[in-house]
Amino acid sequence: QKEVEQDPGPLSVPEGAIVSLNCTYSNSAFQYFMWYRQYSRKGPELLMYTYSSGNKEDGRFTAQVDKSSKYISLFIRDSQPSDSATYLCAMSFDNYGQNFVFGPGTRLSVLP
Amino acid sequence: DGGITQSPKYLFRKEGQNVTLSCEQNLNHDAMYWYRQDPGQGLRLIYYSQIVNDFQKGDIAEGYSVSREKKESFPLTVTSAQKNPTAFYLCASSRAPAGGYTFGSGTRLTVV
Repeated sequence: QKEVEQDPGPLSVPEGAIVSLNCTYSNSAFQYFMWYRQYSRKGPELLMYTYSSGNKEDGRFTAQVDKSSKYISLFIRDSQPSDSATYLCAMSFDNYGQNFVFGPGTRLSVLP
Repeated sequence: DGGITQSPKYLFRKEGQNVTLSCEQNLNHDAMYWYRQDPGQGLRLIYYSQIVNDFQKGDIAEGYSVSREKKESFPLTVTSAQKNPTAFYLCASSRAPAGGYTFGSGTRLTVV
């Protein structure tokens, strides 16, 4: 079993839809959770950074962490074609970068 | 604007040849990292450095080498010992502790 798992997609949705992207993990020691967005042939950019359980909202994006289920989600409201990208989750038991574990990413396509 | 610059964007390597990928940051971050990205896999850590003149092996360091002579610079050399070097290489930096990464735009290396 991989340490962090994501459905690779592709996930295709119509413009304006609510998108749910998910990661599951096996290491119960993970406390720091991140979501990155990566456009084709570009480097990832940090979207959301959360610590421990709970929700965090930033504009159209909401990150949700359920440590009891070892499950994190990223919700995108009112999705736009510009949201079409690969979304990577990452997590760590501490806040040191060398310990971040990345999921393989989910490719999202928002159709106009 | 602060950021990370990777060069070149595309690089071709002949069999038996060493090549060096450049990474420069002006974010005043202490920590820098090199990752390799392959289709369907999460980012894999090659090397990282928390401070000038010090660096540590990551999960897949074999066939790679780095140096950290300046805070701003963290070049990666892909040696001839790396048998499968074709991949997308990403450089990142962060404060230490991290709080998430800033990534460069990547270098795509292809063996010809």
